[in-house]
Amino acid sequence: DSGVTQTPKHLITATGQRVTLRCSPRSGDLSVYWYQQSLDQGLQFLIQYYNGEERAKGNILERFSAQQFPDLHSELNLSSLELGDSALYFCASSVEGGGGAFFGQGTRLTVV
Amino acid sequence: KNQVEQSPQSLIILEGKNCTLQCNYTVSPFSNLRWYKQDTGRGPVSLTIMTFSENTKSNGRYTATLDADTKQSSLHITASQLSDSASYICVVSAWGLTGGGNKLTFGTGTQLKVEL
Repeated sequence: DSGVTQTPKHLITATGQRVTLRCSPRSGDLSVYWYQQSLDQGLQFLIQYYNGEERAKGNILERFSAQQFPDLHSELNLSSLELGDSALYFCASSVEGGGGAFFGQGTRLTVV
Repeated sequence: KNQVEQSPQSLIILEGKNCTLQCNYTVSPFSNLRWYKQDTGRGPVSLTIMTFSENTKSNGRYTATLDADTKQSSLHITASQLSDSASYICVVSAWGLTGGGNKLTFGTGTQLKVEL
């Protein structure tokens, strides 16, 4: 168990809908990262938050947004969903100062 | 631009054999390098982490090496097992700005398949 919790584990929704994925980082970790992994693809970095503020942005679509709350949990909001958004979405957390990152088990999103 | 390149892209070996995966990086300022194992459909799990001053780190049958001068790392798997079949991802962390946290750069992974 990495200590990073993601909910829900599975999500099936229709095109055009909006969903929210939730991540609780390890206790004490200030950084939260979001990644997308499509079938047979590598991890694609979406966005990073550090202590509540956006730290870095990757290949995140404008239809997607994220935030990190004062209690350090984070949410990834996906809107106007398309079939191609079906993927595994991973959250990872890390401490400041080079601790690396610990990953959650992911949320599998299926858009039908 | 920070980059991490892994080779080979995929590898098939027989059970019981050894193999070595490579990771070359251009990440600065370097903080640490971590190897992850990712089973299909699961979250990556950390195998080893090495800082600038460490040149080898073992975790059971997994041994990672780091050459900070040439910016290369390798992951050696000894006496492979069927359960080693997975994607192995090299991740390099760069020191962030003061108070800003580190930045991670991911390799695209090596897909390892161990067969009977």
